[in-house]
Amino acid sequence: QVQLHPWGAGLLKPSETLSVTCVVDGGPFTNYDWGWIRQPPGKGLEWIGEIEHGGHTDYNPSLESRVIISLDTSKRQFSLNLTSVTAADTAVYYCVRVTNWGSLEAFDIWGRGIVVTVSS
Amino acid sequence: DIQMTQSPSSLSASVGDRVTITCRASQSVTTFLNWYQQRPGKAPKLLISDASSLQSGVPSRFSGSGSGTDFTLAITDLQPEDFATYYCQQSYYIPRTFGQGTKVEIK
Repeated sequence: QVQLHPWGAGLLKPSETLSVTCVVDGGPFTNYDWGWIRQPPGKGLEWIGEIEHGGHTDYNPSLESRVIISLDTSKRQFSLNLTSVTAADTAVYYCVRVTNWGSLEAFDIWGRGIVVTVSS
Repeated sequence: DIQMTQSPSSLSASVGDRVTITCRASQSVTTFLNWYQQRPGKAPKLLISDASSLQSGVPSRFSGSGSGTDFTLAITDLQPEDFATYYCQQSYYIPRTFGQGTKVEIK
């Protein structure tokens, strides 16, 4: 059974960089794409971006200037870096597996979510 | 960005009821539409992909339909564990976008 285990700092000050990593436990790693989604307190889901197994990335244009998603195949993990955070970046951050059926894709495996709070 | 609009935002229902949730896209997404269930304090769970394909292990009381811009999630014989928030999500365009969610509450 595939499980995703996120880890990273949970409390940041404004202007710092958010860094979260997700370790993939079980199942194939290189066959899949991987992504990040966040959920501000009491609100809906926002797609941050994805990385293909070949390294190509797609980002939400609203965050693109501040975000980098990277892959470490040897460690079976992928990471999210978000620079210059503000209180608006306070959210639960989910790492996800992206499964593709041809052109269709869906987020079929989700990590438990990591709470990140930005506060001075 | 493609806007995904769900209705209603919330609904109250009883165990055993049939409920339907609609999702409308601001442009056609063909059938590249997924549905997720999120229970309080938990990560979302994929229920349906490609508008109508039930994921393995998801009870058959869940069903999805639609194409283009209009989609529906139906739950028949509502069970206590179905009280949750449901999100639609399009995977046709970048950025991927979600509906605002529909909260199904116990009447």
